[in-house]
Amino acid sequence: KAGVTQTPRYLIKTRGQQVTLSCSPISGHRSVSWYQQTPGQGLQFLFEYFSETQRNKGNFPGRFSGRQFSNSRSEMNVSTLELGDSALYLCASLRAPGTDTQYFGPGTRLTVL
Amino acid sequence: AQTVTQSQPEMSVQEAETVTLSCTYDTSENNYYLFWYKQPPSRQMILVIRQEAYKQQNATENRFSVNFQKAAKSFSLKISDSQLGDTAMYFCARISGTYKYIFGTGTRLKVLA
Repeated sequence: KAGVTQTPRYLIKTRGQQVTLSCSPISGHRSVSWYQQTPGQGLQFLFEYFSETQRNKGNFPGRFSGRQFSNSRSEMNVSTLELGDSALYLCASLRAPGTDTQYFGPGTRLTVL
Repeated sequence: AQTVTQSQPEMSVQEAETVTLSCTYDTSENNYYLFWYKQPPSRQMILVIRQEAYKQQNATENRFSVNFQKAAKSFSLKISDSQLGDTAMYFCARISGTYKYIFGTGTRLKVLA
């Protein structure tokens, strides 16, 4: 069974630009969560999608948004990039929200110049 | 605020020895799940072990075991016979009542040859 895939693996953008990251969960998994990981803040929860609906949202500004498609693939978008958005963005998939174990993708390393 | 606390930012252990990583958490719930995740330098986060709060027996996975003290809200990870491949960042996490994962800030473990 293929694992969680994230594309692209690396991105370099400049301030003010926008970026879209993609995540394909494990086949059969319908829940996708996104995290921002930085050395100083650890893993910060961004949002979770299940059956194309956002179920949970973390404390991030409205510049961070996401969506999920009918095939469970998810995208997250960051508009008007700031230097502080430089981070590793991790996607995790679950069969369903709640008690199940999350399986993480390799992450997308975003650098904002 | 519901939190997960890992009080040891960095630890080191000699190969073949035993090390214990600490984790405490805050919750008012009775049933929940706790996890330890490992993130090696290659950055792919993987599950090490999980514990269901209603189970009194401590979870064990090969060389990895937990000491779950529900009343004290403590969930430590013991790694026996440490190997060089255990060098990684270790994150403690739990699921909140709204099915949101809450992560600690991590413990960087280095296994020394």
